[in-house]
Amino acid sequence: DTAVSQTPKYLVTQMGNDKSIKCEQNLGHDTMYWYKQDSKKFLKIMFSYNNKELIINETVPNRFSPKSPDKAHLNLHINSLELGDSAVYFCASSRQGGAEAFFGQGTRLTVV
Amino acid sequence: AQSVTQLGSHVSVSEGALVLLRCNYSSSVPPYLFWYVQYPNQGLQLLLKYTSAATLVKGINGFEAEFKKSETSFHLTKPSAHMSDAAEYFCAVTGKGDDKIIFGKGTRLHILP
Repeated sequence: DTAVSQTPKYLVTQMGNDKSIKCEQNLGHDTMYWYKQDSKKFLKIMFSYNNKELIINETVPNRFSPKSPDKAHLNLHINSLELGDSAVYFCASSRQGGAEAFFGQGTRLTVV
Repeated sequence: AQSVTQLGSHVSVSEGALVLLRCNYSSSVPPYLFWYVQYPNQGLQLLLKYTSAATLVKGINGFEAEFKKSETSFHLTKPSAHMSDAAEYFCAVTGKGDDKIIFGKGTRLHILP
């Protein structure tokens, strides 16, 4: 059983399109995150959710909208995609704030 | 505020030699520290963690790290490198009850035959 699963694994789309990435965790964790990894491998937190509530929004453009229908799911919707959005997006979860995070396999987004 | 500095974006060691990856942290609260490994086209896997118990922490695949408060360091070591250790390694910091984990910029470990 995959602990944190993301779909799709690869996403190629044109500028201006809207796309979504889905994330599910079966670990019973309360906290979920979205991270962005750029071409230099730098990992930057985008959002943090605790029990479906948004806790952290790290100055991410409002074209990015996370949604947590329940505490096992945290989806990421991106409007009006730009070339600079090309990156690998990781979903992660942790038992609580301050605990280690478990990561999904990542979604490689390429905007052309 | 918390931050992590990893010294050396690339480190090369010979197979069988000691691996040492350096990490220094800054934290305004007692830190929890982690080392993660990322293999190509994969997610991050937890190697080990420090959460205020023993200062010498043992992890998977023969890795260990020592928390040194006086030096604000959490360096990762492995006595004998294996070809399969070639990967990207990330040091990370958070605090008890904190809502985010801050990552260093990563160190690419190369293993020379």
